[in-house]
Amino acid sequence: DSGVTQTPKHLITATGQRVTLRCSPRSGDLSVYWYQQSLDQGLQFLIQYYNGEERAKGNILERFSAQQFPDLHSELNLSSLELGDSALYFCASSAGVEQYFGPGTRLTVT
Amino acid sequence: DQQVKQNSPSLSVQEGRISILNCDYTNSMFDYFLWYKKYPAEGPTFLISISSIKDKNEDGRFTVFLNKSAKHLSLHIVPSQPGDSAVYFCAAALHSGSARQLTFGSGTQLTVLP
Repeated sequence: DSGVTQTPKHLITATGQRVTLRCSPRSGDLSVYWYQQSLDQGLQFLIQYYNGEERAKGNILERFSAQQFPDLHSELNLSSLELGDSALYFCASSAGVEQYFGPGTRLTVT
Repeated sequence: DQQVKQNSPSLSVQEGRISILNCDYTNSMFDYFLWYKKYPAEGPTFLISISSIKDKNEDGRFTVFLNKSAKHLSLHIVPSQPGDSAVYFCAAALHSGSARQLTFGSGTQLTVLP
């Protein structure tokens, strides 16, 4: 158990809809990262927050946004969903270089 | 442009033997390297890391070697156990202020045969 929690575990929704994925970091970790893993692909970095502020952006679509709240939990918002957005979404947290991952949210867009 | 490459998508090894997983990178500014293990339906689990100022780091059955001149790192697992069967990802970190973004390779599926 990494100490990082993600909800929900599974999410099935239709094209055009909007969903919110939630992540609670390990106790004391200020950095939260979001990754996308599509079928047969590696982990693609989306965005990083540090203590409530956005710190780095990767290949994140404009339809996607994130935020980190004062209690350090983070949410990833995905809107105008397309079939190609179906993937595993992982959250990770860190206090240093090593990142610790949550169990992921499997999003299926139908 | 893949900055971190794992050229072997799969590797099979007999139980008790050595498993060697390889990783190449192109960006000489990477200053920290990590290996993660991932089981199906779970998040990646941190295994072992190495700073660019070292060439070897060992933790139990796991040893990571770094060859900076060749921009190559490898993970050795000795002895290999069936429970080691998983996808292994290497990752590289680029220090940029407080943002330690990781770039991951595409992974190698290790199968340890009993």
